[in-house]
Amino acid sequence: GIQVEQSPPDLILQEGANSTLRCNFSDSVNNLQWFHQNPWGQLINLFYIPSGTKQNGRLSATTVATERYSLLYISSSQTTDSGVYFCAVGEGGSEKLVFGKGTKLTVNP
Amino acid sequence: DAGITQSPRHKVTETGTPVTLRCHQTENHRYMYWYRQDPGHGLRLIHYSYGVKDTDKGEVSDGYSVSRSKTEDFLLTLESATSSQTSVYFCAIRGGPDTQYFGPGTRLTVL
Repeated sequence: GIQVEQSPPDLILQEGANSTLRCNFSDSVNNLQWFHQNPWGQLINLFYIPSGTKQNGRLSATTVATERYSLLYISSSQTTDSGVYFCAVGEGGSEKLVFGKGTKLTVNP
Repeated sequence: DAGITQSPRHKVTETGTPVTLRCHQTENHRYMYWYRQDPGHGLRLIHYSYGVKDTDKGEVSDGYSVSRSKTEDFLLTLESATSSQTSVYFCAIRGGPDTQYFGPGTRLTVL
């Protein structure tokens, strides 16, 4: 099955810094989503982005499907950005999303 | 908020007992999913449903069964709970387009 690798596994930032999280996947996908899990365990959908670029406030994401990777950019990080960021991918015709193991982000004041 | 609730939110049970977790949605979504989350594994799909009485297996379906007798409810049953099924269980629905939204989770401990 498809493999999903996220890097780095852990990231510690000072408030105000920028960061880039990466998601590599092993096969062609028709579904790619980024999620944020806050420290209380709630999972929030950030982007549905099987290709191209999207922006939502301080967050943006880019997926280069032909090269099998996606990037999540966080600018001017805030303590509320702390948590775990997951990338999940789905193959053509499949309802099954495969999740990476996540990047744990800690933003210190 | 996609109108998803899970019950119970926390449960402690003993090995060998049956357990049923409930996922309820209020927005008439066709697709519903059950995942488990364990340290070092991210989230893994257990089962999903694509309509009333229509279900299929996910990546880690052994030891679990599901039922969907009406659109708004998707039940996950552990027929005989084992310690390896201690986990946090998340329900999700598919909104548009192809985007999944998650419930608050159920923390299950099997002693």
